[in-house]
Amino acid sequence: GNSVTQMEGPVTLSEEAFLTINCTYTATGYPSLFWYVQYPGEGLQLLLKATKADDKGSNKGFEATYRKETTSFHLEKGSVQVSDSAVYFCALNSGGSNYKLTFGKGTLLTVNP
Amino acid sequence: NAGVTQTPKFQVLKTGQSMTLQCAQDMNHNSMYWYRQDPGMGLRLIYYSASEGTTDKGEVPNGYNVSRLNKREFSLRLESAAPSQTSVYFCASSEGSGAGRVNEQFFGPGTRLTVL
Repeated sequence: GNSVTQMEGPVTLSEEAFLTINCTYTATGYPSLFWYVQYPGEGLQLLLKATKADDKGSNKGFEATYRKETTSFHLEKGSVQVSDSAVYFCALNSGGSNYKLTFGKGTLLTVNP
Repeated sequence: NAGVTQTPKFQVLKTGQSMTLQCAQDMNHNSMYWYRQDPGMGLRLIYYSASEGTTDKGEVPNGYNVSRLNKREFSLRLESAAPSQTSVYFCASSEGSGAGRVNEQFFGPGTRLTVL
C-alpha cells in the first residue's frame, strides 16, 4: 500500500536559518506529491505540489523536487521566518487510488526570532 | 466564495451522546472527505465520498456514519460518543478523479470535539 514517511520533529530554528524537512514515499503507479501546512488553530492549506518526476513545486519561498529515483520530496526554504512556524505534512495521491491522500505524520517547525 | 465550511467549531459531549458534524463546500467539487487528527498520528481518513450518492470507509470508520446529502454537503455522525473520539475533525473536498486532475484537497477549519 501507499505510505509517507517524514522526518520527526519538532524542528527548532532561528530566523533566517535554512530549512529541510525530509519526506520519502512508497506508492504504486505515478503519484502526485504535496506539502500541506497547518498554522496553529487552523485547517490544512496546500503549500506546493508536483505531479511528475523532476517537477519542482514552489510557493512562499518553499521548494520541493519530485525525485522518483530516491522516492523523495524534501521540503526546503533558504531563510525561514517566525511566521513559518507551523506543522508541515507531506502527502501523496496515487494514480491507482485517485480519491484519497496518504499523509505523513507531520513535522512541527518552530522558528525563533 | 467560502471554500469548505464546518460547524460547529467546538463541541463537548458526554459519553453516549450523539451528534452530527456538518460540512459544506461551494467549489462544485465531486469528492468529499472526513479526517480526524490526533497528536503524533497525523491525519487519518474516516470516510470519503468519491461522488454524490456514494460513500466509502477510510482507515478508521468504526463508531462513525456519514451522509452525502447533496453535492455540497457531507455530514459525519457519532451515534454514541466515546472518549476515544476526542479529536479534531477536518472535512475536505476535491474535484475528484479524472483525466488531468491532480485531486488536490481543500480543507475546512476543523471541529474540536471533546468527549467526557
